[in-house]
Amino acid sequence: GQNIDQPTEMTATEGAIVQINCTYQTSGFNGLFWYQQHAGEAPTFLSYNVLDGLEEKGRFSSFLSRSKGYSYLLLKELQMKDSASYLCAVTDSNYQLIWGAGTKLIIKP
Amino acid sequence: EADIYQTPRYLVIGTGKKITLECSQTMGHDKMYWYQQDPGMELHLIHYSYGVNSTEKGDLSSESTVSRIRTEHFPLTLESARPSHTSQYLCASSASPGDINEQFFGPGTRLTVL
Repeated sequence: GQNIDQPTEMTATEGAIVQINCTYQTSGFNGLFWYQQHAGEAPTFLSYNVLDGLEEKGRFSSFLSRSKGYSYLLLKELQMKDSASYLCAVTDSNYQLIWGAGTKLIIKP
Repeated sequence: EADIYQTPRYLVIGTGKKITLECSQTMGHDKMYWYQQDPGMELHLIHYSYGVNSTEKGDLSSESTVSRIRTEHFPLTLESARPSHTSQYLCASSASPGDINEQFFGPGTRLTVL
């Protein structure tokens, strides 16, 4: 079966750095997405990785290792508004998007 | 401005009623999706469409139906609402494979069935 694992919840301090991990087992791979979802709102796109390596976008970076079926989202200089759920999703060989359950990130002052 | 719209945003309805949740997108996307999501829980794909006259069922068993008569419109219908249908319903769209294929989401419809 297809599976995406990410921690259920993480806590970090304002101004710090946090890394949210995602491991996946899917039938084929055509890219990995990270989305941010604030409580009660719709998910919004953060990043996309299809090749191994690091993609940097401002305070957010996303890393991919296809051989290990592993990705992480790195958030720097955390702000209170970063409190949200972070969803990892993988596009499989049929271009279907397989979603993880999300990691709830709590930022403390 | 290209966007994706959902109406109504909130709906409270009695058991047994027929309801249609509307979704429209002005992004020119071929693929559209309906997800169901309970608070703090994961997204469950209930229906999707590759284009006009194409509809497929997703992973979550659902008593809803969809239609895709126009590219921009993808309504979801519940023939007989039940309390177990209480949830948030999210519509999304994406371009055809070949692009990044990121999904853009509408604001959602929060449905409560009494």
